[in-house]
This record gives sequence, C-alpha cells and structure tokens, in this order.
Amino acid sequence: DVKVTQSSRYLVKRTGEKVFLECVQDMDHENMFWYRQDPGLGLRLIYFSYDVKMKEKGDIPEGYSVSREKKERFSLILESASTNQTSMYLCASRRGRQGNYEQYFGPGTRLTVT
Amino acid sequence: AQTVTQSQPEMSVQEAETVTLSCTYDTSESDYYLFWYKQPPSRQMILVIRQEAYKQQNATENRFSVNFQKAAKSFSLKISDSQLGDAAMYFCAYRRHMNYGGSQGNLIFGKGTKLSVKP
Repeated sequence: DVKVTQSSRYLVKRTGEKVFLECVQDMDHENMFWYRQDPGLGLRLIYFSYDVKMKEKGDIPEGYSVSREKKERFSLILESASTNQTSMYLCASRRGRQGNYEQYFGPGTRLTVT
Repeated sequence: AQTVTQSQPEMSVQEAETVTLSCTYDTSESDYYLFWYKQPPSRQMILVIRQEAYKQQNATENRFSVNFQKAAKSFSLKISDSQLGDAAMYFCAYRRHMNYGGSQGNLIFGKGTKLSVKP
C-alpha cells in the first residue's frame, strides 16, 4: 500500500514564526503536492513538484515556499506564519505524468497560528 | 480555465437507501479525467471512483457508480445501499489529459459535499 505521511497531525505556532511541514511518501512517486483545505473552499493547490529540486506554483503560493531535495520528501515552508494561514494542510503524491493515476493523500496537518 | 462545481454543500440519506451527489464542470477540452474522492471525518482522503472522458461506459465500483454525461458536463456519484461508513466529505475532481500539456495534470477540486447517513 502507498503511504503518505505528514510530520504532525496538529501544530500550534505563533505569528511570525517560521514553520516547516514535512511530507514523506514511500512509493517512489514522481509527483508531490501541497494543498490547503478550508471549509467551503475545498482544496486549493499551493505548490507541486514533479521531480527532485523541481517545483511549480499552484493557485495560492503567496506566503509559502517548498523544498524537494529527495524524491520521497516534500516540505512546505511558511516563512513568517500569519493568522490567515490557520488551516488544514494536505500533502499528496502520484506516480507518472500521464494517465488517470490515483493521487494518494496524507492524513493532514491542522495548523493554528495565534 | 477549468472549474468544478458541487451544488450541494450537504446531503443526507437513510441507511440502506440510495443517494446521488451532483458535480458539474466546465472545460473546452475533449480528453480529461474525472474523480470522486471521499474524506471521512479525521481520516485520509481516498479515491472512490474514476472515469476517463473518452469512455462512454459509466464507471462502477461495488456500491458506487457514476452517471457521466459528457455533453452536459455532468459527473454525478450514486451510492447504493448507503452504510454508516459512507458518511464523509465527497469531492469531485477534474484533471486535464496530458495531450493538453500545462501543469502536469493537477487535480481541480470542487468545494465538496458533506454526506450524512442516518441509522
């Protein structure tokens, strides 16, 4: 079974702190994604990566950056956390660039910024 | 740009009954993929069912089936014999076919439908 894990289920940080959210997948998937999930807004793509050291902006990249130094690990960084970044963050991975491959999701990290 | 609309924020169904969740999408492309994902409370999101646009036959997975109407750009999910474990948020999603290039086939999600199952 594919497994996507995220470093924390719950995280509380203060405004202005630098925050790291880690995601690891164990199936050698090329593609990895970071989403933000808010009630009534669905899932919005922050960043994605289709290869090591490659990244592309999604729909809402402002205030975030990412790092992918190894194929299995994709990190989301909040350079200076703000209260409007309080949200659920979901990581996902998928093999290949073609076809209807399934996207596998992690359990999510609920981040609260106070 | 493609958009996905789920017009029912919440739905309710009696256990053992059938329920249909609606999804419409907007695209000018002829090849694409459609998905339904399920997110149970406090649990990971999982794939329920998928459909390739070039296939006319509706996809089926056990109690889950879709009604894919390409001309109407509609992709509804039918859950038969509803069970308590079906209670979850359901997301409809669209992905471009590789022929159109672009953003490596990212999923475009609807805003979700919260399904409750009454015992």
